[in-house]
Amino acid sequence: DSGVTQTPKHLITATGQRVTLRCSPRSGDLSVYWYQQSLDQGLQFLIQYYNGEERAKGNILERFSAQQFPDLHSELNLSSLELGDSALYFCASSVGGGPYEQYFGPGTRLTVT
Amino acid sequence: KNEVEQSPQNLTAQEGEFITINCSYSVGISALHWLQQHPGGGIVSLFMLSSGKKKHGRLIATINIQEKHSSLHITASHPRDSAVYICAVGSSSGSARQLTFGSGTQLTVLP
Repeated sequence: DSGVTQTPKHLITATGQRVTLRCSPRSGDLSVYWYQQSLDQGLQFLIQYYNGEERAKGNILERFSAQQFPDLHSELNLSSLELGDSALYFCASSVGGGPYEQYFGPGTRLTVT
Repeated sequence: KNEVEQSPQNLTAQEGEFITINCSYSVGISALHWLQQHPGGGIVSLFMLSSGKKKHGRLIATINIQEKHSSLHITASHPRDSAVYICAVGSSSGSARQLTFGSGTQLTVLP
């Protein structure tokens, strides 16, 4: 158990809908990272927050947004969902904002039908 | 060309064998990570290294910064080592926090 929690574990929704994925980092970790893992693209970095502020942005679509709240939990919002958004979404946390070891949550499996 | 290349893509071994998985990268890095992903999907961080060698139990990770190459070794392999092993690098320029991932090595250890 990494200490990182993600909810929900599974999510099935229809195209065009909007969903919110939630992540709670390990106690004491200030950084949260979001990753997408699809069958054709592998693991891709989406976005990182550090202590409430956006730190780095990767291949995140404009339809996706994220935020980190004062209690350090983070949410990833996915809107206008398309079939291609079906993937595993992982959250990870680390103690600082630099190149630290990252601890991964169990992931949320999103299926868009 | 991908920034991070792993080999082999698939590897089948007999229990007890010594296993090596390789990772080559093309950019300057701040750190290299080895991750393990089990069939259930969960990802575990095995190592983060920026130089030399690290050992944890039966796992050893090495990195050669000049050659831009890292290896993950598993000694006395066991069926429970069966998983996908993923190499990821953080660039030394731009955002070091943004990891770029290899495509993974599927390891199957047979009893």
